[in-house]
Amino acid sequence: ETGVTQSPTHLIKTRGQQVTLRCSSQSGHNTVSWYQQALGQGPQFIFQYYREEENGRGNFPPRFSGLQFPNYSSELNVNALELDDSALYLCASSFEGFSGNTIYFGEGSWLTVV
Amino acid sequence: AQKVTQAQTEISVVEKEDVTLDCVYETRDTTYYLFWYKQPPSGELVFLIRRNSFDEQNEISGRYSWNFQKSTSSFNFTITASQVVDSAVYFCALSDATSGTYKYIFGTGTRLKVLA
Repeated sequence: ETGVTQSPTHLIKTRGQQVTLRCSSQSGHNTVSWYQQALGQGPQFIFQYYREEENGRGNFPPRFSGLQFPNYSSELNVNALELDDSALYLCASSFEGFSGNTIYFGEGSWLTVV
Repeated sequence: AQKVTQAQTEISVVEKEDVTLDCVYETRDTTYYLFWYKQPPSGELVFLIRRNSFDEQNEISGRYSWNFQKSTSSFNFTITASQVVDSAVYFCALSDATSGTYKYIFGTGTRLKVLA
């Protein structure tokens, strides 16, 4: 067990709605990264937060946004949901994530958009 | 550009057989990190190993071993005497600072089925 917790574990949303996913990082970790994993694919980097600032972003549209709080927990928000947003969303935490340190993943949030 | 290729989509072996999972990577950085993760059906990615680009020593951990060869840009993973509990999807990943952020680039994964 990594100590990274995510909520909710499963959820179903309707196209056009908005969703917020939450992540608590491992104790001592100040960097949180979010990944999207579509069925049968490897995880794709969405963005990374380091000390409450966005520290890099993958090839995702602006309707994917995030926050990191002073306790280093984080949220991923997705607006105007599309069917293709159905995926497993993984949160990962690390210490000083810009340095190539190992990231540790939570169990993910399974999102289904109908 | 950064890229990780896991050419084996699915492998089936009988328990106690040895199995090797292949990983080939591309990067222009001289400093980079390579990883293997295991993903059971529950979804959580379980960290197995991290290697930096300056350390080409092979590593063994119990039944697991890793062969890192910079000359062929490969980082292969071998499970000796496989067990049913090894059944999972295995991902190889690359991390470097090409984009300014040490994001991970994952391969598409290899599904390993170990049959009793």
